[in-house]
Amino acid sequence: AQSVTQLDSHVSVSEGTPVLLRCNYSSSYSPSLFWYVQHPNKGLQLLLKYTSAATLVKGINGFEAEFKKSETSFHLTKPSAHMSDAAEYFCVVSTHLSGGYNKLIFGAGTRLAVHP
Amino acid sequence: DGGITQSPKYLFRKEGQNVTLSCEQNLNHDAMYWYRQDPGQGLRLIYYSQIVNDFQKGDIAEGYSVSREKKESFPLTVTSAQKNPTAFYLCASSDYRGTRNTEAFFGQGTRLTVV
Repeated sequence: AQSVTQLDSHVSVSEGTPVLLRCNYSSSYSPSLFWYVQHPNKGLQLLLKYTSAATLVKGINGFEAEFKKSETSFHLTKPSAHMSDAAEYFCVVSTHLSGGYNKLIFGAGTRLAVHP
Repeated sequence: DGGITQSPKYLFRKEGQNVTLSCEQNLNHDAMYWYRQDPGQGLRLIYYSQIVNDFQKGDIAEGYSVSREKKESFPLTVTSAQKNPTAFYLCASSDYRGTRNTEAFFGQGTRLTVV
């Protein structure tokens, strides 16, 4: 069965310092992995996705993530945090439902705070 | 602009009432989904649908019902049988192609509160 674990419920950084949000996954086959961002009382926006084409994936707003099969990890990073990055971030793994539907399995989320 | 529209943004329900949350998409996506979000629990799947007049229960379908009479629309009814309906509800759609690589696009959500 597929699952995803976000290792930190809260992360706090200073503006201009690096961001690291950690995600481990469990999958019985080669996974499809996603990172989504959610600002307060808003919907979710896709940051990036891993589809086995390249292990280092670049997304929007300067974020990137590296797929490490040996560590079953898909950590999200950004070299320099901006105040506008403060939000909740979800690591997601995709799996098949009956009939070929895609089901997205969400981690519990990591709330990122950015301080001046 | 293409996207997913959820309405209303805020909804208040009295005990024992049924309420319906609207979700409309103009992305021409086949698949649509409803998720419930509670603090610290991520998103949980309520119902999903691939085609018109077809839908399936997700992980927490009890107390909810849906319909899919049109490709563009996937309304969710929260019935009085749902004992703890206060939550943030998100509708999503995806371009079903039988692969796991297809991401979902989300609406802006409806916050439902029982009063």
